[in-house]
Amino acid sequence: GAVVSQHPSWVICKSGTSVKIECRSLDFQATTMFWYRQFPKQSLMLMATSNEGSKATYEQGVEKDKFLINHASLTLSTLTVTSAHPEDSSFYICSARVGTSGPGETQYFGPGTRLLVL
Amino acid sequence: GENVEQHPSTLSVQEGDSAVIKCTYSDSASNYFPWYKQELGKRPQLIIDIRSNVGEKKDQRIAVTLNKTAKHFSLHITETQPEDSAVYFCAGGSNYKLTFGKGTLLTVNP
Repeated sequence: GAVVSQHPSWVICKSGTSVKIECRSLDFQATTMFWYRQFPKQSLMLMATSNEGSKATYEQGVEKDKFLINHASLTLSTLTVTSAHPEDSSFYICSARVGTSGPGETQYFGPGTRLLVL
Repeated sequence: GENVEQHPSTLSVQEGDSAVIKCTYSDSASNYFPWYKQELGKRPQLIIDIRSNVGEKKDQRIAVTLNKTAKHFSLHITETQPEDSAVYFCAGGSNYKLTFGKGTLLTVNP
């Protein structure tokens, strides 16, 4: 149980284009999903918290107009990197939280999407 | 906000030895502390977690201890095996989100 998928697994795009990444909880409903960014040999940096049916909460320093998040259903959240530039190249990982009864419920991660912007 | 410090950044042990990774946190409201294992290019996998109402938790060769007063928690791996080699991240949680440590690269030498 608690399987999270992510699509695509990798993408190469030209500078200026937009890229959409999907995160799905396959066997459970997730009212909350999280989007992280990870640079090589570095930690997971939380970008935003995605809440089903409401606006995402972005971490300080993350441009909400650059990284559009939509959580339209209990099993799907999407991250769109708009007008991507080479500095946006990174490993993007989503996670879905199991449980709604309190803070700190277990998060399960998707396999990640490696984005390379040329 | 929460700040999680993790040490050491790299750890090399011989197969069969024990490995200990330590983390400290700053927010006394944090009440959930998971540990994740990440192999190169793969997703972080939850290996064990502990909540603030518990001081210690064990799962086979893996154990986690929590000292709320000192705001630190540790991961203990006994009888290490080469397949334990990976990057390990600690995290601390409050307000429905986690803050991760910088990670520890564990290498188990056969």
